[in-house]
Amino acid sequence: DIVMTQSPLSLPVTPGEPASISCRSSQSLLHNTGYYYLHWYLQKPGQSPQLLIYLGSNRASGVPDRFSGSGSGTDFTLKISRVEAEDFGVYYCMQGLQTPYTFGQGTKLEIK
Amino acid sequence: VQLVESGGGFVQPGGSLRLSCAASGFGFSAFDMHWVRLVPGKGLEWVSSIGATGDTSYAASVKGRFTISRENAENSLYLHMNSLRVGDTAIYYCARVRWGGYYDDWGQGTMVTVSS
Repeated sequence: DIVMTQSPLSLPVTPGEPASISCRSSQSLLHNTGYYYLHWYLQKPGQSPQLLIYLGSNRASGVPDRFSGSGSGTDFTLKISRVEAEDFGVYYCMQGLQTPYTFGQGTKLEIK
Repeated sequence: VQLVESGGGFVQPGGSLRLSCAASGFGFSAFDMHWVRLVPGKGLEWVSSIGATGDTSYAASVKGRFTISRENAENSLYLHMNSLRVGDTAIYYCARVRWGGYYDDWGQGTMVTVSS
């Protein structure tokens, strides 16, 4: 199984400040199509997870441009240029390259 | 697109439940569908998948106890859960899979509590 490791697990941020979350996989997530099968989700309390970034760097429909995804191979990053109040919750990276699909442990973005 | 889960509840260890996911607003039969759970105090965990062609896969922790199925004529996805354990306590979500292995739509979830 591909192991996904996120850091940090807790991220206190002042609204208006930037934030960055790292995700590392135990093997390359490069598919033979040339895309990285690495995706990012945000889960707010009491809600279902919502897709933020797919295939490493593509923002999902309706996701503000303050969110960006980057990375290659086994190392990926989610960045928020300026955190807003609606951004607080738990962020997960996930690999969709092979079953079992696996998630990172989650990073809780908290108000500082 | 709408995915609506049902069938969760409270069950004793060793018991059974059947979860359902009613899909609407898209061509259900053409999509792979997965079950994912949110384990309290932990995180998201992939449970099972069923392809558009009916091929299935299971997490090691549920293999032999859970069965995923679909009824395309009814736009429905199911998860039959037997020999339930305390560790199966979670919110269970159904999710639609897009090319590239990501979930673009999730249901609202159904809670399963396994306790004596």
